Amino acid sequence: KNEVEQSPQNLTAQEGEFITINCSYSVGISALHWLQQHPGGGIVSLFMLSSGKKKHGRLIATINIQEKHSSLHITASHPRDSAVYICAVRRETSGSRLTFGEGTQLTVNP
Amino acid sequence: DTEVTQTPKHLVMGMTNKKSLKCEQHMGHRAMYWYKQKAKKPPELMFVYSYEKLSINESVPSRFSPECPNSSLLNLHLHALQPEDSALYLCASSGGLGVYEQYFGPGTRLTVT
Repeated sequence: KNEVEQSPQNLTAQEGEFITINCSYSVGISALHWLQQHPGGGIVSLFMLSSGKKKHGRLIATINIQEKHSSLHITASHPRDSAVYICAVRRETSGSRLTFGEGTQLTVNP
Repeated sequence: DTEVTQTPKHLVMGMTNKKSLKCEQHMGHRAMYWYKQKAKKPPELMFVYSYEKLSINESVPSRFSPECPNSSLLNLHLHALQPEDSALYLCASSGGLGVYEQYFGPGTRLTVT
């Protein structure tokens, strides 16, 4: 079993819909990262969380440390949000290493 | 400037060639990373440099040779690669080895023929 599990693996939405991507992990962590990767490669860091909730524009990330669970929400989704969203955790004992989830492929149709 | 740059964007090389990938950041970050990413898979960590010294080598074959000439620059020297080494190579940097955000470059798409 992977230490970081994301769901769903694939998600298709209509423009304007509210989207939730989930991440569960099984190890003690010092931080959790949400990353976005568009086709063609480059990865953008969306959030780094160690507790609570963060918001940036239409994106909201929450984390529940006790339940070892995080969610990424996208409000008023747009086709340009189509990308792979990756959850990654920094284990308490791993220094700078990130443990990545397998990613969620999001497609937002106009 | 929150940008990590990588050159070249694309590289095609034969198995007997020697080539280098270059990564640069001007954010004053003290940690720099090389990742390898195969299609539809998450990135795999290869190397970590901290204060220009190699901190982590994830048992990467010696045909990949990293170099950190100064705090802004990270190279990956490639020699005698195999077709299975074809992948997207991503560079990242962070403020240090602690709990910092990692900033990724756009990657170099490498094809080994």
